[in-house]
Amino acid sequence: SAVISQKPSRDICQRGTSLTIQCQVDSQVTMMFWYRQQPGQSLTLIATANQGSEATYESGFVIDKFPISRPNLTFSTLTVSNMSPEDSSIYLCSVVSQGAGYEQYFGPGTRLTVT
Amino acid sequence: QQPVQSPQAVILREGEDAVINCSSSKALYSVHWYRQKHGEAPVFLMILLKGGEQKGHDKISASFNEKKQQSSLYLTASQLSYSGTYFCGTEADDKIIFGKGTRLHILP
Repeated sequence: SAVISQKPSRDICQRGTSLTIQCQVDSQVTMMFWYRQQPGQSLTLIATANQGSEATYESGFVIDKFPISRPNLTFSTLTVSNMSPEDSSIYLCSVVSQGAGYEQYFGPGTRLTVT
Repeated sequence: QQPVQSPQAVILREGEDAVINCSSSKALYSVHWYRQKHGEAPVFLMILLKGGEQKGHDKISASFNEKKQQSSLYLTASQLSYSGTYFCGTEADDKIIFGKGTRLHILP
């Protein structure tokens, strides 16, 4: 398994500003993912971040709005840029275990409220 | 394409059984099951790979019928700790797409 931490755990931001969310893993992992989850809703994949390559974004998400960095095998950041109230959500990073099988683990999430 | 889960919600009394279904319109390589409690991150339960295998984990088990592109999660003799939202996820192109979830509420 993997232990994942995220910072900040929550934040309240003003419209038009940007927030960078950090994700730290206790072991080296190849694949990291960023998800968004509205309260009571499913998990929506924003992008896949692999070290050494550009992040791959899902339909409806663009790099200008959600730039991602992946400087090494244990760390990634997601920035939510030029925020609007529609960006209010929980953002979770996730990694795939390097052990047997494809097991995916989630960080505790960052609860973002945009006013 | 997002898998379809049913039912959307279930209310059970402690000790009763439940089945949660997950189906996809695409051919599946694997199905993943997660449980999320309110205010917490999703927790991995199990993965089922192509081959129609059935897996068990305490009193929670699952089956995977790749021909029908379906998976079912079975909760036997449910406990209060089973309450939460259950998500199935289908894997394609090295990423998991999650269903909308099934809310399970266990009454004492």
